[in-house]
Amino acid sequence: SQTIHQWPATLVQPVGSPLSLECTVEGTSNPNLYWYRQAAGRGLQLLFYSVGIGQISSEVPQNLSASRPQDRQFILSSKKLLLSDSGFYLCAWSILGQLQETQYFGPGTRLLVL
Amino acid sequence: DAKTTQPPSMDCAEGRAANLPCNHSTISGNEYVYWYRQIHSQGPQYIIHGLKNNETNEMASLIITEDRKSSTLILPHATLRDTAVYYCIVGDINDYKLSFGAGTTVTVRA
Repeated sequence: SQTIHQWPATLVQPVGSPLSLECTVEGTSNPNLYWYRQAAGRGLQLLFYSVGIGQISSEVPQNLSASRPQDRQFILSSKKLLLSDSGFYLCAWSILGQLQETQYFGPGTRLLVL
Repeated sequence: DAKTTQPPSMDCAEGRAANLPCNHSTISGNEYVYWYRQIHSQGPQYIIHGLKNNETNEMASLIITEDRKSSTLILPHATLRDTAVYYCIVGDINDYKLSFGAGTTVTVRA
């Protein structure tokens, strides 16, 4: 069966510090991968998605970047965090090539920037 | 540019059916209706999806009107663990993305 891992579960970082959040998927090959952010009391905002190694599409201009160095690894990064980067970051995967876009979400990372 | 409209909140009695409405009047022929839910502090969970026929699985039933402009998610016997935000999403089969709106906060009460 497929599983998706995210770490860390919780992170407190000072403004201006770098960020690296990691997401890995097990039990599937060539998945679509996604990063979402959910600010407190708000809906999910799609940040990035990837259909293959090294292929990243950005949905909104922001202080963050994403990379996919391996097939089942998706990394969210920032060189300098802003207060507005606080939120609940969710990684998700779906089956590449399937027309029906069912996404499976990880447990999330709760980031607080102080 | 939300493609769906849902009530912001609703209450349901434990053990009763919960009927969650969703309007998607601008849905196109290639677009499916998806339902996800998000229990507090967890990632969203896929529930069900459909194109034009009614669908049922172990979690819920999805009823789509004939003109496809609206749908209803039915939780047949709501439990306290069904308390969550429920998202109705319209997604193009040729697209990779799902756009989550505000959803409906469902509270199941004992």
